[in-house]
Amino acid sequence: GEDVEQSLFLSVREGDSSVINCTYTDSSSTYLYWYKQEPGAGLQLLTYIFSNMDMKQDQRLTVLLNKKDKHLSLRIADTQTGDSAIYFCAESGGSARQLTFGSGTQLTVLP
Amino acid sequence: GAGVSQSPSNKVTEKGKDVELRCDPISGHTALYWYRQSLGQGLEFLIYFQGNSAPDKSGLPSDRFSAERTGGSVSTLTIQRTQQEDSAVYLCASSLPGSGRIYEQYFGPGTRLTVT
Repeated sequence: GEDVEQSLFLSVREGDSSVINCTYTDSSSTYLYWYKQEPGAGLQLLTYIFSNMDMKQDQRLTVLLNKKDKHLSLRIADTQTGDSAIYFCAESGGSARQLTFGSGTQLTVLP
Repeated sequence: GAGVSQSPSNKVTEKGKDVELRCDPISGHTALYWYRQSLGQGLEFLIYFQGNSAPDKSGLPSDRFSAERTGGSVSTLTIQRTQQEDSAVYLCASSLPGSGRIYEQYFGPGTRLTVT
């Protein structure tokens, strides 16, 4: 079945850029998403990219998609302590509307 | 406006008991999803409702799990004869209908279930 993988942990210094990586296996993925989960809160959609795009920028967020390698990344510029959270990569595609999630990357921003 | 709400926020139950988890979707959202988030794992899809169509139950892990959605709005996830491996955060999400468009799913805060 479909699989989405992410590294579990990332630590960066405040003000640096963060890059969170994700790989997926479903070649029929139509949309790929990044969700953010803060402690005690629900998941919040940060951004998404359609599979026929290779880049999307939204303020401090840049999403890069390499469809050939099935690799997705999220870059957060000028990372702040408020960006500390778990970031989930997810995909949907084919006839399925449900999301397939990765295990999440815990981002820790150090002062 | 009101987001997706879930109740209870926390539930502790003894092994073998039945539990019911409730989800109130955003008004007007005809699609409703249940996911499970276990410790150290990603979110696992459980079941999906869309309007009056038959639900997609392909993610339910066993026949102890069932869900219903009454009147196209509120949904209840029932776990019978709970086991310790059922301990997880159960998340509900809802979205607008549509085809060929992005389906942004709005998530509730979840119900943390602990089976002792």
